[in-house]
Amino acid sequence: AQKITQTQPGMFVQEKEAVTLDCTYDTSDPSYGLFWYKQPSSGEMIFLIYQGSYDQQNATEGRYSLNFQKARKSANLVISASQLGDSAMYFCAMREGRNGGFKTIFGAGTRLFVKA
Amino acid sequence: GAGVSQSPSNKVTEKGKDVELRCDPISGHTALYWYRQSLGQGLEFLIYFQGNSAPDKSGLPSDRFSAERTGGSVSTLTIQRTQQEDSAVYLCASSLGGMTYEQYFGPGTRLTVT
Repeated sequence: AQKITQTQPGMFVQEKEAVTLDCTYDTSDPSYGLFWYKQPSSGEMIFLIYQGSYDQQNATEGRYSLNFQKARKSANLVISASQLGDSAMYFCAMREGRNGGFKTIFGAGTRLFVKA
Repeated sequence: GAGVSQSPSNKVTEKGKDVELRCDPISGHTALYWYRQSLGQGLEFLIYFQGNSAPDKSGLPSDRFSAERTGGSVSTLTIQRTQQEDSAVYLCASSLGGMTYEQYFGPGTRLTVT
């Protein structure tokens, strides 16, 4: 069965510093994708970054990078140079491949607080 | 272009009544998802439609919940005999089919059962 674990209910970071949000997953499907989404207090879901299980390099999108450690089944999100606007809930999600029907499930989320 | 829309945005209903929640996905998106989010919590998977395949209903919490997707487009989530524990935000998302495509989420329907 699919499983996504985010062990940090809440995180604090000083403005302009980097922060790492943890995500571990469990799947027996060799083909899968990992996503991170941001949910500000407004409630909208914003896609941040994607990593495929066969990708050789870690994904990067601007200030966001994904620290993908396949053997450890972890896909941590790194936010560099934190900004006040980064304060939000962050969700890790996994989509299994054909064996899993491409269904996407989410972790419980981490609430990030950026301090001025 | 138009994003994912959901209606109503808010629904207050009495315990025991049936409710229908609607989702209009982005045109051309073959995958459609329903999730439930309780206050401050994560997204609980409910059901997933992909093209003409049979839907994955593995997340539906009870037989009071059902969903359909007509013509590969609009989807309706129905909750029968609502209970107070059904109160939550119901989110719909759509995406292109396959592995790499991100989901686009609607604004959600906030359901309150009194």
